[in-house]
Order: sequence, then C-alpha cells, then structure tokens
Amino acid sequence: AAGVIQSPRHLIKEKRETATLKCYPIPRHDTVYWYQQGPGQDPQFLISFYEKMQSDKGSIPDRFSAQQFSDYHSELNMSSLELGDSALYFCASSLLADSNQPQHFGDGTRLSIL
Amino acid sequence: AQKVTQAQTEISVVEKEDVTLDCVYETRDTTYYLFWYKQPPSGELVFLIRRNSFDEQNEISGRYSWNFQKSTSSFNFTITASQVVDSAVYFCALSEANAGGTSYGKLTFGQGTILTVHP
Repeated sequence: AAGVIQSPRHLIKEKRETATLKCYPIPRHDTVYWYQQGPGQDPQFLISFYEKMQSDKGSIPDRFSAQQFSDYHSELNMSSLELGDSALYFCASSLLADSNQPQHFGDGTRLSIL
Repeated sequence: AQKVTQAQTEISVVEKEDVTLDCVYETRDTTYYLFWYKQPPSGELVFLIRRNSFDEQNEISGRYSWNFQKSTSSFNFTITASQVVDSAVYFCALSEANAGGTSYGKLTFGQGTILTVHP
C-alpha cells in the first residue's frame, strides 16, 4: 500500500540558509501534520492542514511556514536556519472523517545544520 | 491541555522476559484517542495501536497487549517473551477529538521509553 512520502530523506544546511521539506500524503488523505523531533526528544507538533487550509498550529517558529497544495502535498519552508533546527521532521497524513484510521507517518527528513 | 507521561526513561531486559511500558495521560476532553508508536534505530515511527476513550477493552496482538484503564488514566503496553528486535523507543500519544468529534487531531507524545532487549 502507498505510504507517506517525504523528501529529501537527509538534508544538510548551514546556519542562516533556507530549506524546503516536502510531504506527499497517502492518496485520498485530506489532512497533513508536521512534527519536529529533536535529538533524544519526543515528536512535537508544528502545524496541520485540512483541505489546503491550516487547521491547527503548534510550536512552529515564525521563521517556518508551510502550506498544502491543490494536489494535497505539503511543504515546510524554513528560513534563517539555526543550529537548534537540527532534527528529524515527520509528516503524517490522515483522512479526517475516518476515525478508524491512525495518522500514518512518513520516514522523516533528517535535517542537519552545520 | 493534554499531557502524556511515560515515567520509564529506559528499560533493559533479557530476551524472553516480559516487559510493561507505562503510560499515564491527562486530558479534559471526554472523547480522545490513545496510541502507541514504535521508533526503531532507523528512525521511522511505526503505528502499533489506537484506542478511543469509549473502548476500554484490552487488546492482544501476538506478543503485544495493551491495558487501558480510564479510572487511572493509564494505557500500558506489555510485550510478552521479548525479542532483540523489540529494541526501540516506544512512544505513547494522545489526541483529542476534533471539533466535530468525528476524528482526532494533533498527537501529543510522551517522552518515550527506550527499550533494550539483550540476547
């Protein structure tokens, strides 16, 4: 079965650079979530989208922005990168109306800031 | 606000031992969902189980079993006859229902329990 696809899998950037992470949800899923997992930490919710509209917002820095496009894929844009942004970034998708299905997670993008 | 506490930071067992991972949650909602995820060293998050707040039935899936007790706000996870491949970080997570009550929203994770199973 198709899963959530995240790209790239690994990304190395330097301080003050920008980065764009992409997420392709499972077909027919209408909701996308972004999480950030720092080293040795639990995943923290950043932001979510339902039908291309922002549906919830967590502890996402102002330097980050995200959107969901008409084909339901989502992008997380990160600017003025800092060392503390080094983390594993997960995208998850779900079908909002189906409470019997869990959020399905992608394999994550590992972002390293030098 | 919702909160999930996994008091055990690390657990180390020898293969074939049974091990229980504790999870305690806090929420003001009457409708919510509880989850367990496994994160092996490769880093991906693997879904194990989902429970809604109205379903207190315990569940068994192979060597895995879950005990949901609303009275104590706990959702514990037991691995029977542990194996080396069970070594991973295990996260308990909570989600409150969305406004329409039809599904759930963002996940709040516990701090995770690192399980190491030695041969």
